[in-house]
Amino acid sequence: DQQVKQNSPSLSVQEGRISILNCDYTNSMFDYFLWYKKYPAEGPTFLISISSIKDKNEDGRFTVFLNKSAKHLSLHIVPSQPGDSAVYFCAGTSQGGSEKLVFGKGTKLTVNP
Amino acid sequence: DVKVTQSSRYLVKRTGEKVFLECVQDMDHENMFWYRQDPGLGLRLIYFSYDVKMKEKGDIPEGYSVSREKKERFSLILESASTNQTSMYLCASSPSLAKGAGSATGELFFGEGSRLTVL
Repeated sequence: DQQVKQNSPSLSVQEGRISILNCDYTNSMFDYFLWYKKYPAEGPTFLISISSIKDKNEDGRFTVFLNKSAKHLSLHIVPSQPGDSAVYFCAGTSQGGSEKLVFGKGTKLTVNP
Repeated sequence: DVKVTQSSRYLVKRTGEKVFLECVQDMDHENMFWYRQDPGLGLRLIYFSYDVKMKEKGDIPEGYSVSREKKERFSLILESASTNQTSMYLCASSPSLAKGAGSATGELFFGEGSRLTVL
């Protein structure tokens, strides 16, 4: 039972354009969602998060949108840069639960110069 | 800065060998986790620990065990390595939300990973 789904294994965009990475979830108990970025041969690094009581959180070029009714969130990167090329993981967590993150399978983003 | 250190970046072992993967964190975090990452499968939780000497199974504990004798150290043990355990292993830590400490977002801090190849 996949609680967090990233249905696009890969995405390719041109430098300077917008990258939109999507994530769906099934667990209504999630109250925080996080995005991680991972380069090959390195550990994931935290990118941005959003509380379930909000619908948008912005940090520089990165914005996460949450649509609770659709159980859907998305990460927007504007403008995209070649250094953004990495695998992006979406994750959900329940603060009243076990404090562990449940990850999606990831989306590999390639930003072409 | 939080630092999570994994003892070996790259290991090559033979089928049947016992393998130890060590992880140390320096931020006095209560929670520690072991994940494995495989292409197309994402990050899957093997085991986690909320406190010293406490451990709980994650989603894929079969073939693995863990040890947490000290708060800062969490070890993953493969009793008899098999080829299907070839993977990238990632250790992570986080402060306990129940104790009112640290990030309110449940953020995990990851180590750089240990790439294990079992021949």
